Amino acid sequence: DTGVSQDPRHKITKRGQNVTFRCDPISEHNRLYWYRQTLGQGPEFLTYFQNEAQLEKSRLLSDRFSAERPKGSFSTLEIQRTEQGDSAMYLCASSSPRGGAFFGQGTRLTVV
Amino acid sequence: AQTVTQSQPEMSVQEAETVTLSCTYDTSESDYYLFWYKQPPSRQMILVIRQEAYKQQNATENRFSVNFQKAAKSFSLKISDSQLGDAAMYFCAYRTGTASKLTFGTGTRLQVTL
Repeated sequence: DTGVSQDPRHKITKRGQNVTFRCDPISEHNRLYWYRQTLGQGPEFLTYFQNEAQLEKSRLLSDRFSAERPKGSFSTLEIQRTEQGDSAMYLCASSSPRGGAFFGQGTRLTVV
Repeated sequence: AQTVTQSQPEMSVQEAETVTLSCTYDTSESDYYLFWYKQPPSRQMILVIRQEAYKQQNATENRFSVNFQKAAKSFSLKISDSQLGDAAMYFCAYRTGTASKLTFGTGTRLQVTL
């Protein structure tokens, strides 16, 4: 399978705990994106990497959120001190410079 | 700021018929791309079709085609010979040529009936 891979698929955590998600993009894609989607809404942009550089971060993104792409390949998204409002589907996507973005299956986060 | 508007929250089509989903966008850029994504109940977003703004010819992918009206900033998706498997949320999306992030519309839920 050469698509975008995300792990875990589901995560249930208690409020206040930290969680980390992983994304493995399509290998030849140098661009990687994180989005968040809540029920009935379109995906909302969180952050974007070109190779290992984080080039854009949504102003809506709380300081509790951090993302890395240390070697320009896989990426991690960490949420610290989770809140119930963080419950959502977290989507990762990758693309080549002028291509369409290909999405992974997402990580569904539930904060209880 | 770029915005994408999908004015049809829900649409319904009979199997084998044709349906058109509407999308309008607002931008001051000249170099940009437009996309339609499909999101079935399994929730994985699937790229259906893309259109480069500099191309006058409308994109086509099998039963899916677009009507790209650049001056009107309109980008509709036509699905021909609709199949039950076409039932999903459809999102219109935009990005500039040099970026970065996709901006999505709010989606249209397509139902396909027998």
